[in-house]
Amino acid sequence: GAVVSQHPSRVICKSGTSVKIECRSLDFQATTMFWYRQFPKQSLMLMATSNEGSKATYEQGVEKDKFLINHASLTLSTLTVTSAHPEDSSFYICSGWSGLNTEAFFGQGTRLTVV
Amino acid sequence: DQQVKQNSPSLSVQEGRISILNCDYTNSMFDYFLWYKKYPAEGPTFLISISSIKDKNEDGRFTVFLNKSAKHLSLHIVPSQPGDSAVYFCAASARWAGGTSYGKLTFGQGTILTVHP
Repeated sequence: GAVVSQHPSRVICKSGTSVKIECRSLDFQATTMFWYRQFPKQSLMLMATSNEGSKATYEQGVEKDKFLINHASLTLSTLTVTSAHPEDSSFYICSGWSGLNTEAFFGQGTRLTVV
Repeated sequence: DQQVKQNSPSLSVQEGRISILNCDYTNSMFDYFLWYKKYPAEGPTFLISISSIKDKNEDGRFTVFLNKSAKHLSLHIVPSQPGDSAVYFCAASARWAGGTSYGKLTFGQGTILTVHP
């Protein structure tokens, strides 16, 4: 399957700081990038959908000013958690989709811990 | 509102036996279903999928069954191997809606499968 590279895999940050997570589609053009979050022992919950070159669409209950998503190119999307708080500690995963008749492919995920 | 449910948090089977993982959904708009395997601190890996126009799809040791009237699907793994031990997620999408709905997934809570040697 296609490859989506997500970095960093693990990050610890202080409360009040911002953290940027990158997702790159290595061998295909991801016209759409989906961002999910998984809390312990829970399912992956969709946070937002971003299309290359346009503003992201956020799911209900997700603060767009807190979770900034940029999808400036067909191979790179970033999620920035601004002014992080301990309750933002979670596992964040992206998935890239080429828009063709294929599956979306997931990155490796980022474990964020806010202390 | 949990639209996709995996009611068994865990399943333990003996190597060589069949593993059956179950999933129920409530949203009638879903028309495409997928199973993913996930290891801790890694992203999900696609296993197998099924369209709502089918009731069975098979790929090697993995078979997915769909019962639309019951809004239920199951993943059968036979024979089970210790390397199959992981968390299995059921996911659904509404591809008929087109656009980004094609890749947008709603996940169940996951089932931890342990296959004992």
